[in-house]
Amino acid sequence: GQNIDQPTEMTATEGAIVQINCTYQTSGFNGLFWYQQHAGEAPTFLSYNVLDGLEEKGRFSSFLSRSKGYSYLLLKELQMKDSASYLCAVLDSNYQLIWGAGTKLIIKP
Amino acid sequence: DTAVSQTPKYLVTQMGNDKSIKCEQNLGHDTMYWYKQDSKKFLKIMFSYNNKELIINETVPNRFSPKSPDKAHLNLHINSLELGDSAVYFCASSQESSGGATNTGELFFGEGSRLTVL
Repeated sequence: GQNIDQPTEMTATEGAIVQINCTYQTSGFNGLFWYQQHAGEAPTFLSYNVLDGLEEKGRFSSFLSRSKGYSYLLLKELQMKDSASYLCAVLDSNYQLIWGAGTKLIIKP
Repeated sequence: DTAVSQTPKYLVTQMGNDKSIKCEQNLGHDTMYWYKQDSKKFLKIMFSYNNKELIINETVPNRFSPKSPDKAHLNLHINSLELGDSAVYFCASSQESSGGATNTGELFFGEGSRLTVL
């Protein structure tokens, strides 16, 4: 079966750095996405990785290793507004998005 | 202007009733989707429409029927509501018809419709 694993919840301190991991087992791979979802709101796109390596976008970076079936989302200089759920999703060989359950990130002052 | 808008945002109804959720996008996208997000926060795709044709239909009960009068609208009609249908339903759109997202990864979501079945 297809599976996306990410931690259920993480806690970090304002101003610090946090890394949210995602491992996947899917039938084929056409890219991995990270979305941010604040409580009671819609998911919003953060990043897309299809090649191995690190993609940086401001305070957020996303890394992919296809051979390991692994990705992480790195958030730097954490702000209180970064408190949200972070969803990992993989586009499989049929171009269907397989979603993880999300990681709830709690930022403390 | 809201890119993807869906109504109503909240819906509370009794078991056995029939209800509809409407969705409209003004992005000119070719593909629209309905997702269900349950209490465990998993996003599960229900339907996808590309140029008014159904291209994905996951194992969803036939009580759920999507209707797309044009490529800017995708409505979700639910018959004989059950307790397990309680969830947040998200409408989304993308430019490509590749099942879930564009090559840039952007699915544009509506704000969600929280359905509670009593």
